[in-house]
Amino acid sequence: EAGVVQSPRYKIIEKKQPVAFWCNPISGHNTLYWYRQNLGQGPELLIRYENEEAVDDSQLPKDRFSAERLKGVDSTLKIQPAELGDSAVYLCASSLGRTTPEQYFGPGTRLTVT
Amino acid sequence: AQTVTQSQPEMSVQEAETVTLSCTYDTSESDYYLFWYKQPPSRQMILVIRQEAYKQQNATENRFSVNFQKAAKSFSLKISDSQLGDAAMYFCAYRSAGNFGNEKLTFGTGTRLTIIP
Repeated sequence: EAGVVQSPRYKIIEKKQPVAFWCNPISGHNTLYWYRQNLGQGPELLIRYENEEAVDDSQLPKDRFSAERLKGVDSTLKIQPAELGDSAVYLCASSLGRTTPEQYFGPGTRLTVT
Repeated sequence: AQTVTQSQPEMSVQEAETVTLSCTYDTSESDYYLFWYKQPPSRQMILVIRQEAYKQQNATENRFSVNFQKAAKSFSLKISDSQLGDAAMYFCAYRSAGNFGNEKLTFGTGTRLTIIP
């Protein structure tokens, strides 16, 4: 069974440019999470989806970040415009559903904003 | 809000020896899950072991076991017969169990484990 797929693995952009990250969760996983991991820290949740509905986006900086999961499968996280402080690893995770606590992570995208 | 603390930024152990990584957490909830994740240089977070708070028995997965002390809010990971492939960052994480609106993982800051050949 394929794991969580993310692309790209690396991205280098200049500040004020837009950037997008893509995630395809494990097949059958209804819950999808986007986390951000700053250097030397543990991941922090940005947004959680139950199917196509964003049910927890309280930590998403909505002035520049947006996310979508239109058909309840794959998801895109966008930053526009990027700032220097957005440099981090962006991790996608998925789980079967609310009653299944394990979350399975993708390899992440390392974003560098110059 | 829940917090997770890992007080050991770095640990090292000789290959084939045993090492214990510490984790404490703070919560007012009675029902929750605790996890250890491993993050090698490839960056992918790999689930190592899970513990349900309502279970008194400590979880075990092959060479990995935990010491869960609910009253002390302590959750340590023991790695036996350490192998070179165990070298990674290890993160302790907390997840609420009873509140469907709060299913995010709260992570500690990690412990970098080095295996000495």
